[in-house]
Amino acid sequence: DTAVSQTPKYLVTQMGNDKSIKCEQNLGHDTMYWYKQDSKKFLKIMFSYNNKELIINETVPNRFSPKSPDKAHLNLHINSLELGDSAVYFCASSQKQKDPYEQYFGPGTRLTVT
Amino acid sequence: AQSVTQLDSQVPVFEEAPVELRCNYSSSVSVYLFWYVQYPNQGLQLLLKYLSGSTLVKGINGFEAEFNKSQTSFHLRKPSVHISDTAEYFCAVSLMFSGGYNKLIFGAGTRLAVHP
Repeated sequence: DTAVSQTPKYLVTQMGNDKSIKCEQNLGHDTMYWYKQDSKKFLKIMFSYNNKELIINETVPNRFSPKSPDKAHLNLHINSLELGDSAVYFCASSQKQKDPYEQYFGPGTRLTVT
Repeated sequence: AQSVTQLDSQVPVFEEAPVELRCNYSSSVSVYLFWYVQYPNQGLQLLLKYLSGSTLVKGINGFEAEFNKSQTSFHLRKPSVHISDTAEYFCAVSLMFSGGYNKLIFGAGTRLAVHP
């Protein structure tokens, strides 16, 4: 009965490759987020979608492209991976009308670029 | 602009001792404040939140926090810690924007290390 799930949990790849991370939530929430946690544990929001519509797009390189096929899924595609992309990426979700302030986080995807 | 400062990057403490993890925020508008915990190799779990009302907020696992508007602080406390409380703790403030949406601005985190 996982609430927010991410795949894969670990991802090791070489510079220049393209990779995707998937996120799914079964909480019935309408808003989803991607956060990046760097090597110093600092967490920063990257994107947010509400009902498949992009509502937050922070200053993230355009090599990162989120896609939301439906409100239960938010995927993150990264082109031309760089060493600095190595981080843990967290997906989160919330329900705008019910409790917009509380976000539920997934277990994270640890991306290592070599 | 809203920001969050966690004053201690690491807090070592012995088991059964009390602990306080400090958090200060800056905001020009009403704030909604949160504490999240991250256990090793896991995602973030909400400990507690302050939206309005009583300034003393109780959360899970025996933690509580006090919202102090004059000092712009939201310190997290526990009267007696356990080994299992060893984790990274994040203070966050919710930034609201048009459309009723919000995003979380996190502090840099405090590593709580509980020793036997």
